[in-house]
Amino acid sequence: GESVGLHLPTLSVQEGDNSIINCAYSNSASDYFIWYKQESGKGPQFIIDIRSNMDKRQGQRVTVLLNKTVKHLSLQIAATQPGDSAVYFCAENKAAGNKLTFGGGTRVLVKP
Amino acid sequence: GAGVSQSPSNKVTEKGKDVELRCDPISGHTALYWYRQSLGQGLEFLIYFQGNSAPDKSGLPSDRFSAERTGGSVSTLTIQRTQQEDSAVYLCASSTQNTGELFFGEGSRLTVL
Repeated sequence: GESVGLHLPTLSVQEGDNSIINCAYSNSASDYFIWYKQESGKGPQFIIDIRSNMDKRQGQRVTVLLNKTVKHLSLQIAATQPGDSAVYFCAENKAAGNKLTFGGGTRVLVKP
Repeated sequence: GAGVSQSPSNKVTEKGKDVELRCDPISGHTALYWYRQSLGQGLEFLIYFQGNSAPDKSGLPSDRFSAERTGGSVSTLTIQRTQQEDSAVYLCASSTQNTGELFFGEGSRLTVL
């Protein structure tokens, strides 16, 4: 069935520290993964993606790690800032153009 | 337009009424999705359109929910005989054929009294 979040777990982070958000996926055939950020009152926005032939990809202040052996995806945010406070969702896709399935989401709260 | 546009942004209705929510995807995007998000919760998949293929309706919660996509562009999500548990933000997203990246609209917040 679809991944549907019930009550979002919360990660509380001190400003300036690094954040690590974890996501477990279930479909071993998934070959494309995306992290989205959703700020209050807005739609989710793309952060970074990674294909299954990679195990790490870096963006600006963000790094995504993929461990296909244990079907685990993580998002690392360096030097977390107040603007990083949001809900973060991972999503998986079996192939480009196929339906994207979202994980339950993690709320990140940045403390000043 | 530059992004995915949804209307109305807010809709308050009475229990039992029908509502229609509209989504204008990014021009040229062949895939269109509808998701539902209850307050403080994750994204619940509703329906997925891809080109001229039959839509994936596997996420629609009941037969009161339906969606159409006319001409491969604009989509309308219809909820008949609304119930209080239908209250949520309904998000639309579109993507191109060659990428899984979804571009989301701002959502339509539905409140059923």
